[in-house]
Amino acid sequence: AQKITQTQPGMFVQEKEAVTLDCTYDTSDPSYGLFWYKQPSSGEMIFLIYQGSYDQQNATEGRYSLNFQKARKSANLVISASQLGDSAMYFCAMSRQGGSEKLVFGKGTKLTVNP
Amino acid sequence: EAQVTQNPRYLITVTGKKLTVTCSQNMNHEYMSWYRQDPGLGLRQIYYSMNVEVTDKGDVPEGYKVSRKEKRNFPLILESPSPNQTSLYFCASTRRLGNTEAFFGQGTRLTVV
Repeated sequence: AQKITQTQPGMFVQEKEAVTLDCTYDTSDPSYGLFWYKQPSSGEMIFLIYQGSYDQQNATEGRYSLNFQKARKSANLVISASQLGDSAMYFCAMSRQGGSEKLVFGKGTKLTVNP
Repeated sequence: EAQVTQNPRYLITVTGKKLTVTCSQNMNHEYMSWYRQDPGLGLRQIYYSMNVEVTDKGDVPEGYKVSRKEKRNFPLILESPSPNQTSLYFCASTRRLGNTEAFFGQGTRLTVV
């Protein structure tokens, strides 16, 4: 069975600093995808970044980058130059056997950006 | 605008009174799913559908039904709601090919008293 573990229930960061949110995963599938979603206090789920298991390079999207270490089964999210609007819940998720119709989510990390 | 629309956004109901949460997407996606979100548990998949008339159970299907009569719609039905189904519900859709992002609806906050 697939499993996502986010070990940081809460994280704090100063505005303009970088922060890393941890995510480890477990799967026996050779092909899978890894996702990060942001959930602000308003409740919607906002897609941030995606990494495929066969992708050679780490994914980047603006201030977001995914530090993918396949041997360690980790997919940490790095947010550079944090902004107050980054304060939110962040969820790591994994797709099963390719295709995001079935996502397994971690329990989330609540990030607070301090001014 | 590409979107997934859920209704209602908020619902308070009583135990045992049947209810339906609607979900509609305008992106012609083949795949649609329902998730529930509970504090400290993240999101867990209830049901998913890979195409019209094709549905399957997710991780927490007990107490729920779904149908997929049209490609764009995927309603979630609670035949006899119970207080333990109080939760935040999300509908999501994604296209069939490749690992791509799932588009989520705005969420439905359900309270069963």
